[in-house]
Order: sequence, then C-alpha cells, then structure tokens
Amino acid sequence: DAKTTQPTSMDCAEGRAANLPCNHSTISGNEYVYWYRQIHSQGPQYIIHGLKNNETNEMASLIITEDRKSSTLILPHATLRDTAVYYCIVGLSGGFKTIFGAGTRLFVKA
Amino acid sequence: NAGVTQTPKFRILKIGQSMTLQCAQDMNHNYMYWYRQDPGMGLKLIYYSVGAGITDKGEVPNGYNVSRSTTEDFPLRLELAAPSQTSVYFCASSSIDRGSYEQYFGPGTRLTVT
Repeated sequence: DAKTTQPTSMDCAEGRAANLPCNHSTISGNEYVYWYRQIHSQGPQYIIHGLKNNETNEMASLIITEDRKSSTLILPHATLRDTAVYYCIVGLSGGFKTIFGAGTRLFVKA
Repeated sequence: NAGVTQTPKFRILKIGQSMTLQCAQDMNHNYMYWYRQDPGMGLKLIYYSVGAGITDKGEVPNGYNVSRSTTEDFPLRLELAAPSQTSVYFCASSSIDRGSYEQYFGPGTRLTVT
C-alpha cells in the first residue's frame, strides 16, 4: 500500500472551513483514499473515502486531484468537537496491512 | 447494533504474565484487525483476519497471537508480557462493499505492563 504525507498540525477558527491536505504521490490506480479521525483517546472514526471522483457526505468533502497524487479533506464549518487527529490512508479494497501514519492534529479554536 | 466491543477497558499486567484481549463485532464483517497505538504515535497493525479460520501477520506481530474461530470474535493473546507491550490496543472490523471498505473501531483496551 502507498504511504502518505500530512502536515503535523493545523489550526482552524470555529465556523470556518478546515482544509486538510494529504500527499500520496505513489498511489496506484486501484488504491482508494480514506480519511479517519481520532478524537482524544477514542478509537478512530471513518470519515470518507474516494477513488477518482470528489466525494461528499454529511461529515466532509474529499477532493482528489486529477493525477490522484494528492487530496484534501474539507470540513465545511469546523466546530470545537472537530479537534482531533486526522489520518489519510491509501489502500486496496479489503484494507489489508493498512498503514496509519502520525496524521494531522487539527486544533479548532473559538 | 453494538458495533465493535472490546474487553477489558483497562488492565495492568506484571512482566511475564499473559492475558487475552477480547474483541467482538455484530456487523457480520469478514475482516477483523488488531492495532496498537503508543503515546503520540499512529496505529500499527499487529494481526488481521479475512474470515473465520484465517489470520495473518501485520507490521508488529512479535509477542502476540490471534485466533478466529467465529466471524464475530477475534481475541488477541499476549504471552509473557513485556514493558514494550504497554500501549492502547484497538480492534477493528470491515467488509467489502462496492469494492471498498471502511474500518469500524472499538473503544480500545489500555494495557500497562510493569
């Protein structure tokens, strides 16, 4: 599975959009991009995933570049409860040997 | 649905003791995983299973054993506990749906070995 690169930390003002980037330049054609988040010491929570097209659900939007070498997770109106570590992962369907890196620590400030 | 459940929530072991971390899911998922997370770090895959009777090693399998006799349960066994195994352990499950997967995680077991 391809590895990813994310910034260590980011700040965002409450109510503003949070844009979290992820670099996955070695992604292969059949690998999906997945985003999870981990709030404090809880178990990670699935957010969204995509293959080629942009995706949106009730939690977030995922923008994948045309060459698929990078993506951005967008939280449209960040709240204090969105403060968490966000993990970007790429992998094949089935998810074997998923690699969770250090992720991006997002701080949402009032 | 309870989702993924883990027991116990907390445990303190002495060096050399052994224990089993329990994990169960009620979503009829074929795939199950065990991860460990050291303080300030990401998750590392210990073992995974693609179905009952089938298991395989992840990144950091040494010192652990698993079994998968049913779809629902995936226990993790620690033999001869060592301080290096002090960590938070997460169990997860997933299924293949429309060619992709999403992992659902349990609340974790916090283990201290002293």
